[in-house]
Amino acid sequence: KNQVEQSPQSLIILEGKNCTLQCNYTVSPFSNLRWYKQDTGRGPVSLTIMTFSENTKSNGRYTATLDADTKQSSLHITASQLSDSASYICVVSNYNTDKLIFGTGTRLQVFP
Amino acid sequence: GAGVSQTPSNKVTEKGKYVELRCDPISGHTALYWYRQSLGQGPEFLIYFQGTGAADDSGLPNDRFFAVRPEGSVSTLKIQRTERGDSAVYLCASSLEGAAGEFDTQYFGPGTRLTVL
Repeated sequence: KNQVEQSPQSLIILEGKNCTLQCNYTVSPFSNLRWYKQDTGRGPVSLTIMTFSENTKSNGRYTATLDADTKQSSLHITASQLSDSASYICVVSNYNTDKLIFGTGTRLQVFP
Repeated sequence: GAGVSQTPSNKVTEKGKYVELRCDPISGHTALYWYRQSLGQGPEFLIYFQGTGAADDSGLPNDRFFAVRPEGSVSTLKIQRTERGDSAVYLCASSLEGAAGEFDTQYFGPGTRLTVL
């Protein structure tokens, strides 16, 4: 069954600290994996997209990694800012159907 | 416009009523998607348009839900005989190419929050 699971469900960190969010998926065959940031009351915004041949991709303070063998991905946020408070959603695309399968997200709160 | 827009931003209706939700995609984007997002969950796929046609409507939960995109731009999601379980945020996204583009980024609108009393 095509599923995307994320952990932790929620996370609280202090401003300036780093954090890592996890994503495990069972989507097969795999096409690509995306991380989205969703602010409260807004639609998701794309952060990174990776295919199976890519191990890491950065977007500013966001760095995503992908291990296609273990079907795991992580999103590392460096030097967190208050504006990083949002939900981070892992999304995996099925190669056959082209459908995006969304995880339930990790709710990150950054406190001063 | 610079991004995807959706109207209304909030809609409160009574059980059994009919509602229409509108999506204005980014100009030039051929693909348009509708998703439904419940509290604490990720978006759930409903329907995907490529141009004017519904390329994949397998996510529509039942025949009370219908969507159109008559001119290949603006889309309307129609829900008949609304039920309390329909309450959710309905998100629209558009992309340049759609399923044909492997790295096609979907740009999301702010969503319409539907509340069925």
